[in-house]
Amino acid sequence: AQSVTQPDIHITVSEGASLELRCNYSYGATPYLFWYVQSPGQGLQLLLKYFSGDTLVQGIKGFEAEFKRSQSSFNLRKPSVHWSDAAEYFCAVGAVSNYQLIWGAGTKLIIKP
Amino acid sequence: GAVVSQHPSWVICKSGTSVKIECRSLDFQATTMFWYRQFPKQSLMLMATSNEGSKATYEQGVEKDKFLINHASLTLSTLTVTSAHPEDSSFYICSARDSRIYGYTFGSGTRLTVV
Repeated sequence: AQSVTQPDIHITVSEGASLELRCNYSYGATPYLFWYVQSPGQGLQLLLKYFSGDTLVQGIKGFEAEFKRSQSSFNLRKPSVHWSDAAEYFCAVGAVSNYQLIWGAGTKLIIKP
Repeated sequence: GAVVSQHPSWVICKSGTSVKIECRSLDFQATTMFWYRQFPKQSLMLMATSNEGSKATYEQGVEKDKFLINHASLTLSTLTVTSAHPEDSSFYICSARDSRIYGYTFGSGTRLTVV
């Protein structure tokens, strides 16, 4: 079955520290992978996406993610977080057959001053 | 870039009334739009997929007679919550698929409160 797992419900990091949010997927074909961010009471904003090619993908706001096929992972990273990065982060797999997104449960990022 | 406008951002309505939420793609044609519902501190739950000019495809457990979806044009989809009840209170988000690229743009969401 197709699924996306974000094992961490919430993560707390200090401002200026590095960040890694984990995402594992189960999908039968080569996946289209996405990371979205959602601030409280807001819609979702695309951070980055992977379709093919270079497995290290650069996104907006200084985020990057690395696709590792052998580990079925697409972890999101940022070298130095800012207080404004506090939000909910969602990983998703795009199903080519019907264009639906399969969502992870989300990881809430908390920034310590 | 692609922009999706969702309106209203929030609405409070009385139990038993109907509420319409609009989702417009402003600078691209959205052949497919998705409607999601999000409960507090939870991920998005896909309610239905709508394709322009055809009936929406509802996910299992979603009442099609309660959540009416219309996708009459390539830039507009609407979700009408009919005979709303307090349990329908939630955050509703639309998403439009940009057929020019494999991408999705989300609206800013609508907070519905039924009193």
